[in-house]
Amino acid sequence: NAGVTQTPKFQVLKTGQSMTLQCAQDMNHNSMYWYRQDPGMGLRLIYYSASEGTTDKGEVPNGYNVSRLNKREFSLRLESAAPSQTSVYFCASLERTMGNQPQHFGDGTRLSIL
Amino acid sequence: QQQVKQSPQSLIVQKGGISIINCAYENTAFDYFPWYQQFPGKGPALLIAIRPDVSEKKEGRFTISFNKSAKQFSLHIMDSQPGDSATYFCAASISQGAQKLVFGQGTRLTINP
Repeated sequence: NAGVTQTPKFQVLKTGQSMTLQCAQDMNHNSMYWYRQDPGMGLRLIYYSASEGTTDKGEVPNGYNVSRLNKREFSLRLESAAPSQTSVYFCASLERTMGNQPQHFGDGTRLSIL
Repeated sequence: QQQVKQSPQSLIVQKGGISIINCAYENTAFDYFPWYQQFPGKGPALLIAIRPDVSEKKEGRFTISFNKSAKQFSLHIMDSQPGDSATYFCAASISQGAQKLVFGQGTRLTINP
């Protein structure tokens, strides 16, 4: 059981380039999330998808777009990368968004924007 | 706006000692308070969680203490071991509606052998 798989693990981009971060879960979870982790700031929610077919903004959505491709996959797109988007990005899934279930995280994508 | 404030940023404890990490929140609507543990190069994983209807929850060497009136909660790690060295995040969310965790800044814990 792979859990939550993120690709790629590392990426370096130039300012202005675009990129899509991929996330897939094999736990048949309904909800999926994208976070960014920056030193001294914890994890901040970018976007989430409570169920297949829905997406909503989190705390820091500017500069990002998401697609819930199907129940398994949730992608994050940077249309025009900026140095401020240098971060570690984590995808998480949740069995169901209602109630206090644990979120299951992938191992992250380390993204550097030059 | 940081709705959950965590301290200290880093903590060094001797093996066998007690590690204590504190968090304070502002939003009184929060009613779910999990702690996540993260090892280098890995994603966070749920360690232990509490709801505000109890003042303490213990799982093995890990205990959450909760003070609703002070809007504070803390993680205590008893008999700390080198394998506990990791970054710890407190978080909070509102049970109604979609789960949207608000994380603290994180604490890097080092247990010296």
